[in-house]
Amino acid sequence: AQTVTQSQPEMSVQEAETVTLSCTYDTSENNYYLFWYKQPPSRQMILVIRQEAYKQQNATENRFSVNFQKAAKSFSLKISDSQLGDTAMYFCAFVLSGTYKYIFGTGTRLKVLA
Amino acid sequence: GAGVSQSPSNKVTEKGKDVELRCDPISGHTALYWYRQSLGQGLEFLIYFQGNSAPDKSGLPSDRFSAERTGGSVSTLTIQRTQQEDSAVYLCASSLMGESNQPQHFGDGTRLSIL
Repeated sequence: AQTVTQSQPEMSVQEAETVTLSCTYDTSENNYYLFWYKQPPSRQMILVIRQEAYKQQNATENRFSVNFQKAAKSFSLKISDSQLGDTAMYFCAFVLSGTYKYIFGTGTRLKVLA
Repeated sequence: GAGVSQSPSNKVTEKGKDVELRCDPISGHTALYWYRQSLGQGLEFLIYFQGNSAPDKSGLPSDRFSAERTGGSVSTLTIQRTQQEDSAVYLCASSLMGESNQPQHFGDGTRLSIL
């Protein structure tokens, strides 16, 4: 069975600084997708970034980028130039290619400090 | 609509009552998912719909939980004889198809509190 682990329950960062959220996963499969979702206090889960396992290039979306290490089964999220609006819970998620069932980590609560 | 819509936003009810939670997915999305999010936990998968069919009900925690989807659109999650441990945020998501390469779009959730 696949598992997703987020080992940092809470983190804080100063506005304009850079922060990295960690995520590790366990699978014996080779083809899958990884996601980072953001859940602000409004509760709506918003897709931040997506990575296909078959792509070696790390995904980037504006200030958000990932460090995907397939051999190490690691998928960290880097937020550059942190903004107050980045304050939220961040969830890492895994789904096997050809399936629909996301496996979510327990989340990291990020607080951006003014 | 523009996004996934869930109602009610909040629901408080007494233990033993039945509750119905509603999800209106993004128009044209054939896949629909229900999740439960308890305090301090990740998202727990409950059920998946492809069209009106639910090929995977494996996450429903007990027979007090049921869900249906009609017209390939709106879905209702029903919890009968509610218990205090049912208190959680219930999230609905939809995707164009039930395929891994298509991201799921989430609603704002329903916060259910059982007294």
